Amino acid sequence: DIQMTQSPSSLSASVGDRVTITCQASQDISNYLNWYQQKPGKAPKLLIYDASNLETGVPSRFSGSGSGTDFTFTISSLQPEDIATYYCQQYDNLLWITFGQGTRLEIK
Amino acid sequence: QLQLQESGSGLVKPSQTLSLTCAVSGGSISSGGYSWSWIRQPPGKGLEWIGYIYHSGSTYYNPSLKSRVTISVDRSKNQFSLKLSSVTAADTAVYYCARMVATPPRSRFDYWGQGTLVTVSS
Repeated sequence: DIQMTQSPSSLSASVGDRVTITCQASQDISNYLNWYQQKPGKAPKLLIYDASNLETGVPSRFSGSGSGTDFTFTISSLQPEDIATYYCQQYDNLLWITFGQGTRLEIK
Repeated sequence: QLQLQESGSGLVKPSQTLSLTCAVSGGSISSGGYSWSWIRQPPGKGLEWIGYIYHSGSTYYNPSLKSRVTISVDRSKNQFSLKLSSVTAADTAVYYCARMVATPPRSRFDYWGQGTLVTVSS
């Protein structure tokens, strides 16, 4: 199975800050990576698919990049409503889909 | 707007079978290009993919759960179901159903149910 290592596990930042989360795959997964936002008590929400494509309706301050084994998720200017846990998810092998451990984002 | 809603028993005894149903509204479960999935999240922990069923009826399960999982579709009711046998406390989790855009090799979970907590306890 493909392991996803997400970092950091938690992050504290100020409103307006640029925030970056990374996800590393244990093997080459091309750009078969998605990013989700999960707010407390809610289902995850798709933000970025295929590593860099913004899901319809998602604010443009969210972005993703990377290919192969190293991926980055960025919030260009942190807003109070962005407080959540963020997960990467690989689907290189549709026979075994895996998620990263999650990054909890807090306001400083 | 597509909506998914989980239902089923919130309390299951150890060694018994967990059964959940996901009702789909606002779209047909038979539409091509999609599969229908189950994902779970133990309290305070991360997400774990359980499995999915294609519109064709083919199923794919997480190898770590494969021996205990069955996912099926009832097209007449526009819903799909999860059965997980021989449950233990480790199966206590919020269970989500989700639609997976499935145009291989591309895939993503674009619609999710609200989730339902299942507790395994005697």
